[in-house]
Amino acid sequence: NAGVMQNPRHLVRRRGQEARLRCSPMKGHSHVYWYRQLPEEGLKFMVYLQKENIIDESGMPKERFSAEFPKEGPSILRIQQVVRGDSAAYFCASSRVMEASEAYEQYFGPGTRLTVT
Amino acid sequence: QKEVEQNSGPLSVPEGAIASLNCTYSDRGSQSFFWYRQYSGKSPELIMFIYSNGDKEDGRFTAQLNKASQYVSLLIRDSQPSDSATYLCAAHGSSNTGKLIFGQGTTLQVKP
Repeated sequence: NAGVMQNPRHLVRRRGQEARLRCSPMKGHSHVYWYRQLPEEGLKFMVYLQKENIIDESGMPKERFSAEFPKEGPSILRIQQVVRGDSAAYFCASSRVMEASEAYEQYFGPGTRLTVT
Repeated sequence: QKEVEQNSGPLSVPEGAIASLNCTYSDRGSQSFFWYRQYSGKSPELIMFIYSNGDKEDGRFTAQLNKASQYVSLLIRDSQPSDSATYLCAAHGSSNTGKLIFGQGTTLQVKP
C-alpha cells in the first residue's frame, strides 16, 4: 500500500490519559501535515513537518499538543492529558517536495478517530 | 470573515445533471486551490487542483479559477448517485508554509 498510513484507526482514551497518533507518509513524500476535524466542523490545519523539523505549528493548541517527524519512523502527534473536547478525527496528509511552480497536492490518510471518555 | 467560504447545501441534483459547486476565498495571495471529496466517516480524497486562471478538466470534473474575483468552482458533469458526498474547497495560503485552509464543505446529493 503506497498511500498515507495512519494508526490506530480508532483510539479511546479516558480523560487525563495520553494519546499518540502515528502517520507514515506516502512513498516518495517527505512533508507531513496534521489536520483535525471536529464533529460537524471543517478541517483545521494543525502542524506541518519535514524530517526533524517543524515548519509551521500555527494551528497547534498551545498546551498539551506536540508533534514530531523523526529521521527514522513515522510522524507522531501527541496529546497529553486529553479532555473530552479533543474527541475528533485527526487526519495526516503528505506531499512531495514543493517546487516553486507546482501546486502543493496533499494526500490524506484514513484518519484516527479519537474518543475521550 | 471566513478565509474560504462555501455554501453548506445540501445541493440536490438529479442523476445525469451538472452539479456546480462554488467557493470564494479572502487571501489574494493564495496561489493554489484544491477540491476534495469526503464521504461520511471517511477521509478527504483529492479530486482536482488548479493554480492558473481558467478551466481545468479531468474526466467528468472541471475546476474553474478566477483570481480577480477570488472565486473557485467545481463542475461535475453527468452526476451519479456515487458522487453524493461533501466537497471541500481548500486554498493554499500565501505564507508558503504548505498550510491548506479549508471551507466548511458543500453536501451534494445526486438523486436517481
